[in-house]
Amino acid sequence: DTAVSQTPKYLVTQMGNDKSIKCEQNLGHDTMYWYKQDSKKFLKIMFSYNNKELIINETVPNRFSPKSPDKAHLNLHINSLELGDSAVYFCASSQAGAQYFGPGTRLTVL
Amino acid sequence: DQQVKQNSPSLSVQEGRISILNCDYTNSMFDYFLWYKKYPAEGPTFLISISSIKDKNEDGRFTVFLNKSAKHLSLHIVPSQPGDSAVYFCAASSGAGSYQLTFGKGTKLSVIP
Repeated sequence: DTAVSQTPKYLVTQMGNDKSIKCEQNLGHDTMYWYKQDSKKFLKIMFSYNNKELIINETVPNRFSPKSPDKAHLNLHINSLELGDSAVYFCASSQAGAQYFGPGTRLTVL
Repeated sequence: DQQVKQNSPSLSVQEGRISILNCDYTNSMFDYFLWYKKYPAEGPTFLISISSIKDKNEDGRFTVFLNKSAKHLSLHIVPSQPGDSAVYFCAASSGAGSYQLTFGKGTKLSVIP
């Protein structure tokens, strides 16, 4: 059983398009996260939700909007995609202490 | 401003020997530290953690050492196995219950058979 899953694994799209990445966790965790790993390989937090409420919102363009329909799901919607959005996006979840990551979604904007 | 630094981008070790991965931090508020392992095209996998009230934590072949005065931690893998070849990330937070992890850039470990 996959603990944290993301779809799709790969996403190739044109500049200006709108796309979504879905994340689900079956660990029963209260907190979920979105991270971006850029070309320099740094993992940087973007958002965190605890029990469907936004608790961390780092300096991320307004084009990025997370949505948490329930505490097992945290989706990421990106409007008007730009070349610089190309990266690997990781979803994660935690209860306390360690965060558990999904397999990542490689987004390529052409 | 990197608050968590892994200054060695890569490390090669012979199978069976010890691998030592290092991590330095600058933020004095950090008191909970984690190591993650990442294979290509997969997400980071949690390995081991340590709270600042300890200076050592051990789990099988993996041991993490924390030197608070030097703001330095290290991960020891003994004995190293080819399956340990991966990128290892150090991460830190202000408390085990904190939601915010700050990651280092990672060290790529290659274990040579």
